[in-house]
Amino acid sequence: GQNIDQPTEMTATEGAIVQINCTYQTSGFNGLFWYQQHAGEAPTFLSYNVLDGLEEKGRFSSFLSRSKGYSYLLLKELQMKDSASYLCAVRFKGSNSGYALNFGKGTSLLVTP
Amino acid sequence: ETGVTQTPRHLVMGMTNKKSLKCEQHLGHNAMYWYKQSAKKPLELMFVYNFKEQTENNSVPSRFSPECPNSSHLFLHLHTLQPEDSALYLCASSQGGGAPRFGPGTRLTVT
Repeated sequence: GQNIDQPTEMTATEGAIVQINCTYQTSGFNGLFWYQQHAGEAPTFLSYNVLDGLEEKGRFSSFLSRSKGYSYLLLKELQMKDSASYLCAVRFKGSNSGYALNFGKGTSLLVTP
Repeated sequence: ETGVTQTPRHLVMGMTNKKSLKCEQHLGHNAMYWYKQSAKKPLELMFVYNFKEQTENNSVPSRFSPECPNSSHLFLHLHTLQPEDSALYLCASSQGGGAPRFGPGTRLTVT
């Protein structure tokens, strides 16, 4: 695989900030995506990074460092509904699969009152 | 409503049965995918179709057979499955390099 690593589980308190990290193999990198998946539901797209830096979308931000093979998803003002699995996915160049993504195992986030 | 629909949502089948999963996208996308999601494992890419042409078969056993009759429809034909094939099967579509949009999935149980 492409060695996409992220923590298995995290717990945070309602109203707080949480950062979910993702590391990946840098060779052939062609874009990084974050998805949210609630139990029993489809993954839904959150953010996309292909250049270094921070992309902000409301309470959610995503950061990328291509040289370090590192990204994080930042969730602010946590709400109970943010309890879900967060999937880091990377697109690599040169594969026969074109635009298909390679996924990490996901980080299960639990938001507590 | 995600724009990608899958049927059935749940399926229980015996090891000798033949069944098909259906996926339809209403987004005008030109690429469609089948992914398998098992507990404790990452989403695994199974098949990719770009412009109806299969461009990837990710070492998937022949008991899984995809079919893409047009750019809006994708099928996964199943036969002689094993219990370890029980999983959530997710269909997705994308337009070029855009973020793939996932359907709700089919929860498959092989008995």
